[in-house]
Amino acid sequence: DSGVTQTPKHLITATGQRVTLRCSPRSGDLSVYWYQQSLDQGLQFLIQYYNGEERAKGNILERFSAQQFPDLHSELNLSSLELGDSALYFCASRGGANTGELFFGEGSRLTVL
Amino acid sequence: DQQVKQNSPSLSVQEGRISILNCDYTNSMFDYFLWYKKYPAEGPTFLISISSIKDKNEDGRFTVFLNKSAKHLSLHIVPSQPGDSAVYFCAASARAGTGNQFYFGTGTSLTVIP
Repeated sequence: DSGVTQTPKHLITATGQRVTLRCSPRSGDLSVYWYQQSLDQGLQFLIQYYNGEERAKGNILERFSAQQFPDLHSELNLSSLELGDSALYFCASRGGANTGELFFGEGSRLTVL
Repeated sequence: DQQVKQNSPSLSVQEGRISILNCDYTNSMFDYFLWYKKYPAEGPTFLISISSIKDKNEDGRFTVFLNKSAKHLSLHIVPSQPGDSAVYFCAASARAGTGNQFYFGTGTSLTVIP
């Protein structure tokens, strides 16, 4: 158990809909990262937050947004969903902004029909 | 642009033999490298890391080698065990500054044959 909790584990929705994925980092970790893993693809970095502030942005679509709340949990919002958004979405946390390794949650599997 | 590459999608090894997983990177600013293991339906779990000031780091059966001039790292597992069968991802980051990203390769699926 990495200590990182992601909900929901599975989500099935239709094109055009909006979903929210939630992540609770390890106790005390200030950094939260979001990654997308599509079929047979590596982990694509989406966005990073540190103590409530956005710190780095990767290949995140404009239809996607995220935030980190004062209690340090984070949410990834995906809107106007397309079939190609079907993927595993991982959240990871680390203690500092740029030290140590990432600890991953078990992921949220999104299926868009 | 894939800054971290794992060119072997899969690898099969006999139990007890050595498994060697390879990874190449393109960004010379990377100074911290990691290997993660992933089982199906689970998140990646941290395995071992190496800083760019070293060329080798060992942890039990796992050793990571870094060749900075070739921009290449490898993970050696000796001896390989059936429980090592998983997908292995290498990752790299540049620790300078704040908000550094981790770049991951596409993974190598290791099968250890009993």
